[in-house]
Amino acid sequence: EVQLLESGGGLVQPGGSLRLSCAASGFTFSSYAMSWVRQAPGKGLECVSSISGSGGSTYYADSVRGRFTISRDNSKNTLYLQMNSLRAEDTALYHCAKKQGSGWYVPFDYWGQGTLVTVSS
Amino acid sequence: DIQMTQSPSSLSASVGDKVTITCRASQGISNYLAWFQQKPGKAPKSLIYAASSLQSGIPSKFSGSGSGTDFTLTISSLQPEDFATYYCQQYNSLPPTFGQGTKVEIK
Repeated sequence: EVQLLESGGGLVQPGGSLRLSCAASGFTFSSYAMSWVRQAPGKGLECVSSISGSGGSTYYADSVRGRFTISRDNSKNTLYLQMNSLRAEDTALYHCAKKQGSGWYVPFDYWGQGTLVTVSS
Repeated sequence: DIQMTQSPSSLSASVGDKVTITCRASQGISNYLAWFQQKPGKAPKSLIYAASSLQSGIPSKFSGSGSGTDFTLTISSLQPEDFATYYCQQYNSLPPTFGQGTKVEIK
């Protein structure tokens, strides 16, 4: 059974940093691209970052490029999102999502429940 | 970015009803379209990919159709567990983008 368990969310002041983690199990982690998708209160879903199975290729939404860094440790089956220079508009529930294959142009097939990030003074 | 527009934004239906949700892309996306279900406090659940292919374990009461810019999700006979919010998503080009969601409520 595929499981994705996010952690690391919390309350942080504007300009602060957080590191999110997603522990994956039930599949060969290194074979699949992974993404972080956020859901702001009362707003829609936004894919903020993706990473290839090897970790060699990454994608960032314009809204987070230069502030967020996605990475993965295939030996630990864990996905990360380092978030720096946080803004109020980054407040959201952050989901880890598994892609159905190794490339960018494939659908998501599994999602985690999410970890809540609140940016406020 | 490709804009995805769902309609309606919400609907009320009764158990046993047939429900259809529409998703329109701002430009052609071939069949690179997925549908998700989300219940409050739960992880999104993938239902359909490639516009009409059911994910593993998803019952056949869910079906999808369309290609290019216009797509539909149909639930053939609504059951209590189907009351949720449904999202479409395109993965034809970066960034992947989502519809705003359709909330299916009990009449």
